Amino acid sequence: EADIYQTPRYLVIGTGKKITLECSQTMGHDKMYWYQQDPGMELHLIHYSYGVNSTEKGDLSSESTVSRIRTEHFPLTLESARPSHTSQYLCASSVGTVSVSTDTQYFGPGTRLTVL
Amino acid sequence: AQSVTQLGSHVSVSEGALVLLRCNYSSSVPPYLFWYVQYPNQGLQLLLKYTSAATLVKGINGFEAEFKKSETSFHLTKPSAHMSDAAEYFCAVSDLDKLIFGTGTRLQVFP
Repeated sequence: EADIYQTPRYLVIGTGKKITLECSQTMGHDKMYWYQQDPGMELHLIHYSYGVNSTEKGDLSSESTVSRIRTEHFPLTLESARPSHTSQYLCASSVGTVSVSTDTQYFGPGTRLTVL
Repeated sequence: AQSVTQLGSHVSVSEGALVLLRCNYSSSVPPYLFWYVQYPNQGLQLLLKYTSAATLVKGINGFEAEFKKSETSFHLTKPSAHMSDAAEYFCAVSDLDKLIFGTGTRLQVFP
């Protein structure tokens, strides 16, 4: 069983607030990802990282930012939350040796964010 | 660019019946294909993946999928549904350094 954690699990917050969604994994995986998931829609990759000090933007444009200072930690920050940011955010990690696209990704339980 | 299409956003079966969840892919190169399952209030969990070895791939919980290049399909099956199989299932295809997910199929199992 994968050990990847996300906090908080649920967050309801007002417009304009700064928020940070936490993601940690204890597997020593180099690669980590953030996805946005809306009901009935595919998962959209918004950020990923190949390792410490590496961050890349995904396919879906996002106003969020990420950092990767430690291998195990990949937080996502929204400087000023808006109702359009309401969604589920899933964090994942993988080890892989060939390429990111063939890795098995292990997912956290997700953070459901509601911005009022 | 690679893409996947999952036919049927909802599938309902009776307990003990065959489960068939459809996935078609579009890929300009030999693809790597995945099926993930998401139980309520949980993250995604890998069921199985195809990486160009055997075309019939066996996964966890009795699921399997067959890669058919001529049909560009990677359908997921299970001979006999169990109540615990009720969940959302996502097909995904590799695209360079990322995975492209389908929109998901919600499986309901009735007693």
